[in-house]
Amino acid sequence: AQKITQTQPGMFVQEKEAVTLDCTYDTSDPSYGLFWYKQPSSGEMIFLIYQGSYDQQNATEGRYSLNFQKARKSANLVISASQLGDSAMYFCAMRGPDSNYQLIWGAGTKLIIKP
Amino acid sequence: NAGVMQNPRHLVRRRGQEARLRCSPMKGHSHVYWYRQLPEEGLKFMVYLQKENIIDESGMPKERFSAEFPKEGPSILRIQQVVRGDSAAYFCASSLTLDSRNYEQYFGPGTRLTVT
Repeated sequence: AQKITQTQPGMFVQEKEAVTLDCTYDTSDPSYGLFWYKQPSSGEMIFLIYQGSYDQQNATEGRYSLNFQKARKSANLVISASQLGDSAMYFCAMRGPDSNYQLIWGAGTKLIIKP
Repeated sequence: NAGVMQNPRHLVRRRGQEARLRCSPMKGHSHVYWYRQLPEEGLKFMVYLQKENIIDESGMPKERFSAEFPKEGPSILRIQQVVRGDSAAYFCASSLTLDSRNYEQYFGPGTRLTVT
């Protein structure tokens, strides 16, 4: 069965430090996509970054980068130079292998940035 | 270009009442997805619709829940005879394509349903 695991329920990080949020996944399909979303306290779900299983380079979007280690089935999110506004829940999600639309979600990591 | 719209943002219903949640996809998007988020959990897929068609409702409870995406107007998620366990945030997402490997689902702000 397809599964996403986020092992860090909560993290405290000092402002301006880099943050790594862990995500491991399980799938037998060679073709899949991995997503990270941010959910601030206001509740909306904000897309951050995407990594395709066949992409040769690790994805980057501004201060966000994805440390994709295919052999280990991990897709950790790295936030550089953290800011107070980064405090939020972060979810890792995977496009289901049996379809190319259904997203399978991890339980999330609550990140709190300390001033 | 307005994003995905959901209304209401908050909905309170008594047990046994009906809840209707609306979702207007992004302009030009014809693929709509509904997800449910229970407190302290990630999202769970419920249903995938295209205009006038339910493509996949494998994540939706068999009873009391229904969804539609009519030719005109928003997509509707309907919950009949609500129970306390239905209290959750319900998110709608839309996408432009299905064929692209690198598609993206754009999410609405969610509807927070509270059943008292």
